[in-house]
Amino acid sequence: DTEVTQTPKHLVMGMTNKKSLKCEQHMGHRAMYWYKQKAKKPPELMFVYSYEKLSINESVPSRFSPECPNSSLLNLHLHALQPEDSALYLCASSQAQDLGQQFFGPGTRLTVL
Amino acid sequence: AQSVTQLDSQVPVFEEAPVELRCNYSSSVSVYLFWYVQYPNQGLQLLLKYLSGSTLVKGINGFEAEFNKSQTSFHLRKPSVHISDTAEYFCAVPPSASKIIFGSGTRLSIRP
Repeated sequence: DTEVTQTPKHLVMGMTNKKSLKCEQHMGHRAMYWYKQKAKKPPELMFVYSYEKLSINESVPSRFSPECPNSSLLNLHLHALQPEDSALYLCASSQAQDLGQQFFGPGTRLTVL
Repeated sequence: AQSVTQLDSQVPVFEEAPVELRCNYSSSVSVYLFWYVQYPNQGLQLLLKYLSGSTLVKGINGFEAEFNKSQTSFHLRKPSVHISDTAEYFCAVPPSASKIIFGSGTRLSIRP
């Protein structure tokens, strides 16, 4: 299984809502990532988990809260988002020290009203 | 600091024509370089990677890239494109094992 799955595919939420994005992989990868991608732009790294511990936070606002319950799962909890947070949120995974070889999920298209 | 520059934001080509997508890198240390592809409404997929060794790297779907140290380039090529190659292509460099820095992307559009 070389697939990274993400749910939901689409999400519409108001600025006062609380929602979560979910990512799952069963490739035995010990590094997992969240990226944000705006239209016609490259992905921007948000968070990196290595061996279930948060190793990189790219100065992401606290309204985004990542969680890694186990080595296969990665969540992104959303609260009090702004319309400018509307974007495609991509999850990826890799072997912990594998340069560049990241496997991406299809993404969650988030719209904040 | 490592970075990559993609010189073309859009490249339109006719089906079965050859294509070259350009990427230049900036690095003062050992260079590792990658090309990722993003098909419409999908995540990214690794096309090919250069870590060391042969400067001509072959990837999936008939793509190849050549690492040129003197010109600091890593251009992506395909001798004959198909409609299915329509996608966004990102050149990328990993400053560390946990990070990838992507170029701005090149949108490849194929005309029948």
